[in-house]
Amino acid sequence: QSALTQPASVSGSPGQSITISCTGTSSDVGGYNYVSWYQQHPGKAPKLMIYDVSNRPSGVSNRFSGSKSGNTASLTISGLQAEDEADYYCSSYTSSSTFWVFGGGTKLTVL
Amino acid sequence: EVQLVESGGVVVQPGGSLRLSCAASGFTFDDYAMHWVRQAPGKGLEWVSLISWDGGSTYYADSVKGRFTISRDNSKNSLYLQMNSLRAEDTALYYCAKSDQLLRYFDYWGQGTLVTVSS
Repeated sequence: QSALTQPASVSGSPGQSITISCTGTSSDVGGYNYVSWYQQHPGKAPKLMIYDVSNRPSGVSNRFSGSKSGNTASLTISGLQAEDEADYYCSSYTSSSTFWVFGGGTKLTVL
Repeated sequence: EVQLVESGGVVVQPGGSLRLSCAASGFTFDDYAMHWVRQAPGKGLEWVSLISWDGGSTYYADSVKGRFTISRDNSKNSLYLQMNSLRAEDTALYYCAKSDQLLRYFDYWGQGTLVTVSS
C-alpha cells in the first residue's frame, strides 16, 4: 500500500486534457511544496516531469502542469498525444522516517 | 549528459548478500546526494536510501534499515548498495537516482538493475 493515493488509471483522447490526482496528508503533500511527478514508459527509467509542485524541468513540454490544494496534488496534461501514454508517479518529501514517499502510479491510456 | 548505470543485480537465495553499483557521469558527482529507489515487479516506486554528497550522512527506509548499507566513492564517481539478509520482498528493479541540490526530488535516474531473491 503506497503512502500517496493515485487513481489506478485514467484515459483520454488525443487533444484532450486529463488530470491525475495524488492525495497524501499534512505530513507530506500538504506540509511541503516538494511534490514531484515522474513519467515512466514500459521498460524505461522514470523521468522527472514536474518538481516543487508546479515547476517544469528544461525540456519538458509546457503541456504538463502541476498544482496543489491542501493534501492533494495534481498533474494536468493538456493536448494529449500518443507519446504521453505511460505510467505516472507522484512523490513527496515527508516528515515521517521514510523521508520520501511515492504514489502507487497511474496508467494513462491515450485512446 | 547525465548518465547513471547500475550493475550487480542477480538471483540470490533468501538470507544472502549482494552489492549493487552505480557508475555516474556527466555531472560533478561529489556535488550531489544520491538515492536508491526500487520497484517490485508490476508495482510502484519505493524510496530505499539516501547518501549525502560526502558520504557523511545516510538515511534508510524502515523496510531495509539494519540490512542495507549505502556508500559512495567520489574518486570513482560510484554509488553502492550493500544488501544483506535478503528477503523475497526485496525482489525488485533497483534504480540509482541523482538528487537535486536541496534534496527535493530525483532529477535523473538510471535504467535499473534487477535483484531477484528466490530459492
